[in-house]
Amino acid sequence: GNSVTQMEGPVTLSEEAFLTINCTYTATGYPSLFWYVQYPGEGLQLLLKATKADDKGSNKGFEATYRKETTSFHLEKGSVQVSDSAVYFCALSSYGNKLVFGAGTILRVKS
Amino acid sequence: IAGITQAPTSQILAAGRRMTLRCTQDMRHNAMYWYRQDLGLGLRLIHYSNTAGTTGKGEVPDGYSVSRANTDDFPLTLASAVPSQTSVYFCASSDGPGVTDTQYFGPGTRLTVL
Repeated sequence: GNSVTQMEGPVTLSEEAFLTINCTYTATGYPSLFWYVQYPGEGLQLLLKATKADDKGSNKGFEATYRKETTSFHLEKGSVQVSDSAVYFCALSSYGNKLVFGAGTILRVKS
Repeated sequence: IAGITQAPTSQILAAGRRMTLRCTQDMRHNAMYWYRQDLGLGLRLIHYSNTAGTTGKGEVPDGYSVSRANTDDFPLTLASAVPSQTSVYFCASSDGPGVTDTQYFGPGTRLTVL
């Protein structure tokens, strides 16, 4: 079946540090890949997505590239801010648009 | 535009009681979904509806039921709550059930079953 594995957290960084959160997936067919972010006390918001191999999704300085050969969709940001502190979820969507989520990675950014 | 609203925000419920979580969207989206979020497990799909009048089971449907009488509303019912149903519940919607369609999430309902 479909599954998503993402790096365990929490990840703690200083402001302006480089961020990578690893995400790998197992899927049949041609899934779309997503990163969602959840700020404290809120629901999930779409951060970025990619719908086919080699696509790069980007938003608010975050980016991720759909790598079919390594079945990965790692999230990166060149310089994190305190306001980026949140829980980040990698997810895939296959037939019928049923999202399968990773366990989530807590990011804490210190000033 | 409100997007997706959920009610109640939080609830404490005695085991064995019946509970309905409400979800309403104003985006005229065709597809709607219910997920539960548990620590270390991410979000898991409970039930979904690709269009008004149809529903389907997700990964963890046992103990839950849904209905989709119209486009905007998608209530989730726990017929007889058990402590393992303690969780945060999120409703979501998307324009269609296609693989590339983005799902938009509500603010969630925190449910505690004692």
